[in-house]
Amino acid sequence: QSVLTQPPSVSGAPGQRVTISCTGSSSNIGAGYDVHWYQQLPGTAPKLLIYGNNNRPSGVPDRFSGSKSGASASLAITGLQAEDEADYYCQSYDRSLSAVLFGGGTKLTVL
Amino acid sequence: EVQLVESGGGLVQPGRSLRLSCAASGFTFEDYAMHWVRQVPGKGLEWVSAINWHSAGMGYADSVKGRFTISRDNARKSLYLQMNSLRPEDTALYYCAKDIKAIYGDFVSYLEYWGQGNLVTVSS
Repeated sequence: QSVLTQPPSVSGAPGQRVTISCTGSSSNIGAGYDVHWYQQLPGTAPKLLIYGNNNRPSGVPDRFSGSKSGASASLAITGLQAEDEADYYCQSYDRSLSAVLFGGGTKLTVL
Repeated sequence: EVQLVESGGGLVQPGRSLRLSCAASGFTFEDYAMHWVRQVPGKGLEWVSAINWHSAGMGYADSVKGRFTISRDNARKSLYLQMNSLRPEDTALYYCAKDIKAIYGDFVSYLEYWGQGNLVTVSS
């Protein structure tokens, strides 16, 4: 059971919008630690998708966006495309555990 | 271009040891904290350990504390993970990753680049 909670799966049709939530607590996200998101395509290493809650690295389409409020964060993907089918992980830091945290991961299926 | 290349994995019996290495290039290695993250095939990501830029600070997941030791050689631009008393549940793909900061655990730090991973299988 991960300290950062994500839904195991989400799905959407091409062109639709989906969101993935990441719920933490007062010792991690709620303590002010940034949330970052990684995309892992099948058979590949994770890749940074969103950093600092809502910033996109160069090369990441603006269809991907992030937000943070209180002890939770969300990743939104608009205009879904088949190539977005992947696993998505949120990440933060926990000051009580003194540990980097990953969410359990969310599998996105494009219908 | 940033490159992180892991090596040293393989099949090992329970209770034995293994040392993973990560060769870094394309950035000033000594300026950044580094991490090890593992992934059981078909499962999620699990942070294993991290080390600050000049080895002054390091951290471990509870699942490996006391058994694994992280280290780095800035002159060789290399990161290491010494894994002792290995258990079947340590079987995973081990990734090396570069932090954006010199000190991990900063309010804003994250894992900017990842290697391709190296498989460790613990089985008799």
